[in-house]
Amino acid sequence: QKEVEQNSGPLSVPEGAIASLNCTYSDRGSQSFFWYRQYSGKSPELIMSIYSNGDKEDGRFTAQLNKASQYVSLLIRDSQPSDSATYLCAVNAGGTSYGKLTFGQGTILTVHP
Amino acid sequence: SQTIHQWPATLVQPVGSPLSLECTVEGTSNPNLYWYRQAAGRGLQLLFYSVGIGQISSEVPQNLSASRPQDRQFILSSKKLLLSDSGFYLCAHRSGGDEKLFFGSGTQLSVL
Repeated sequence: QKEVEQNSGPLSVPEGAIASLNCTYSDRGSQSFFWYRQYSGKSPELIMSIYSNGDKEDGRFTAQLNKASQYVSLLIRDSQPSDSATYLCAVNAGGTSYGKLTFGQGTILTVHP
Repeated sequence: SQTIHQWPATLVQPVGSPLSLECTVEGTSNPNLYWYRQAAGRGLQLLFYSVGIGQISSEVPQNLSASRPQDRQFILSSKKLLLSDSGFYLCAHRSGGDEKLFFGSGTQLSVL
């Protein structure tokens, strides 16, 4: 069974700090990796995608991928209270998976003023 | 731009009643469409996906069914709801060669 594991948290960081969220996956053939943000009662919102090893930066967000170690992480710089949400890691095996994503349970992030 | 519509936003249904949730996508053609469910305190579980009209694949055995009568319409149904069907139901789409998945606003279903 393909699994995606995240620390459920909650992760609490002060405003202005760096929040670090981690995710591991079991399917070594996974090709595409995504981070979603989900506010309470709302649907998941795509914030980052990464497909190759290394770092990818978009504003205050940096996604990091290490396929050899089968982990993907999300760094949020200068964390703001509005970043408080559940962050979902999702993995796509690619090939003939028809775009099906396997999601982790999510990490709850709280940014306190 | 692509837009995904999902309704209703909330629904309260008695056990044993039927269910029909509808999802439509605008601004794209021949999308892959998906139904996910998120139970309270749990992760997102893929229920069904469709790569074209009339083509439905079920991921888990359950009390639900799905249909795709039109290219940009995806329907989730049940003949008799169970208490365990409660949850947050999300429709999603993926278009073209893009691997990214985009979600509708979701339906919070409570079966009482």
